[in-house]
Amino acid sequence: GQNIDQPTEMTATEGAIVQINCTYQTSGFNGLFWYQQHAGEAPTFLSYNVLDGLEEKGRFSSFLSRSKGYSYLLLKELQMKDSASYLCAVAGNTPLVFGKGTRLSVIA
Amino acid sequence: EAQVTQNPRYLITVTGKKLTVTCSQNMNHEYMSWYRQDPGLGLRQIYYSMNVEVTDKGDVPEGYKVSRKEKRNFPLILESPSPNQTSLYFCASHGTGWNEQFFGPGTRLTVL
Repeated sequence: GQNIDQPTEMTATEGAIVQINCTYQTSGFNGLFWYQQHAGEAPTFLSYNVLDGLEEKGRFSSFLSRSKGYSYLLLKELQMKDSASYLCAVAGNTPLVFGKGTRLSVIA
Repeated sequence: EAQVTQNPRYLITVTGKKLTVTCSQNMNHEYMSWYRQDPGLGLRQIYYSMNVEVTDKGDVPEGYKVSRKEKRNFPLILESPSPNQTSLYFCASHGTGWNEQFFGPGTRLTVL
């Protein structure tokens, strides 16, 4: 079976750093994606990891450990506009399977 | 501009009245998918297609049909909509090799 777990909600302060974790169990593995989704809008691509390690892209970084079935998304220097849902998705033997998403609230 | 388009963006209909939501992409992508998104349940895949005339069921295919007669189009058909199909629907596409999946803007469907 396929299972992706991530926290339902998180709250963090403007300017701070937040880490959103994702654990997964899937049939096959072809990479892990993180998407950002604002309410009522389409998901937008943030990152893609297929090898172990950290990928950095501006204020956003994503980490993958394939042996542990674990990833995290790190957001630095949080801004109010980062308030959104963050979706972890895994490409296995079928097209993407999504977690239920983590709703991040950034407060002043 | 590379994009996935969906129509209509909003639709209110009644139980049993057949409807089609269109999806089109201009990136020559092989893979296309339909998802529905419901509060607390996240994005769930309805159907996907790996190429023309090739379609497969996702996690929640009941009550839906799809077709892939052309590479660019992947319509979602609800033959007899029911209220439990009220949801936000997204079409998406990506090319061969695992890389970024592009999403359409979404279709908010209400079935009364």
